Amino acid sequence: DTGVSQDPRHKITKRGQNVTFRCDPISEHNRLYWYRQTLGQGPEFLTYFQNEAQLEKSRLLSDRFSAERPKGSFSTLEIQRTEQGDSAMYLCASSGPGHQPYNEQFFGPGTRLTVL
Amino acid sequence: AQSVTQPDIHITVSEGASLELRCNYSYGATPYLFWYVQSPGQGLQLLLKYFSGDTLVQGIKGFEAEFKRSQSSFNLRKPSVHWSDAAEYFCASGAGSYQLTFGKGTKLSVIP
Repeated sequence: DTGVSQDPRHKITKRGQNVTFRCDPISEHNRLYWYRQTLGQGPEFLTYFQNEAQLEKSRLLSDRFSAERPKGSFSTLEIQRTEQGDSAMYLCASSGPGHQPYNEQFFGPGTRLTVL
Repeated sequence: AQSVTQPDIHITVSEGASLELRCNYSYGATPYLFWYVQSPGQGLQLLLKYFSGDTLVQGIKGFEAEFKRSQSSFNLRKPSVHWSDAAEYFCASGAGSYQLTFGKGTKLSVIP
């Protein structure tokens, strides 16, 4: 078990471009989460999946953001028409296979996005 | 809406000294409570969690936390800090949902 992995680790883009991040959860985990962390703040919840179903979305997830988890394995987070305010660390976490909300969420190292 | 407050942005302690990091939560019922640590370039690592039962919880790396319902607190403690404990510490709560609400974090510096 290699833990949660995220790719890329760093991304620099120009305002208005689209970016896509990938998250590979721990293989037996059925839940996958996306959080965003800005400087000096704690992580903020964006969305989560149970298997391939997206069950919860934060109001932080504007219509420029879309997340998918095809086949309940890896997940992608796409940001369209990036803005400078999107600059942040995007964290992915996974948990399972239990069904309790207090199950530990295992976090990946994050993708740091810089929008110029 | 639930919230988590970590009143101390930055704490500095001497190596070998005791440590207490404060966390207060706002939620009507008993939430699930967690402490995570984040080192530079590393992902968040769970130190300990509370969801029911004994209010004094033991975690990894010699950390413990005590849930106090009357004070809506879940403070993290360590009797003797090591230089390797320097990192940022986040308190988080869940309230029956799978999403976690995090505090803003407390950065710990350790003086040799």
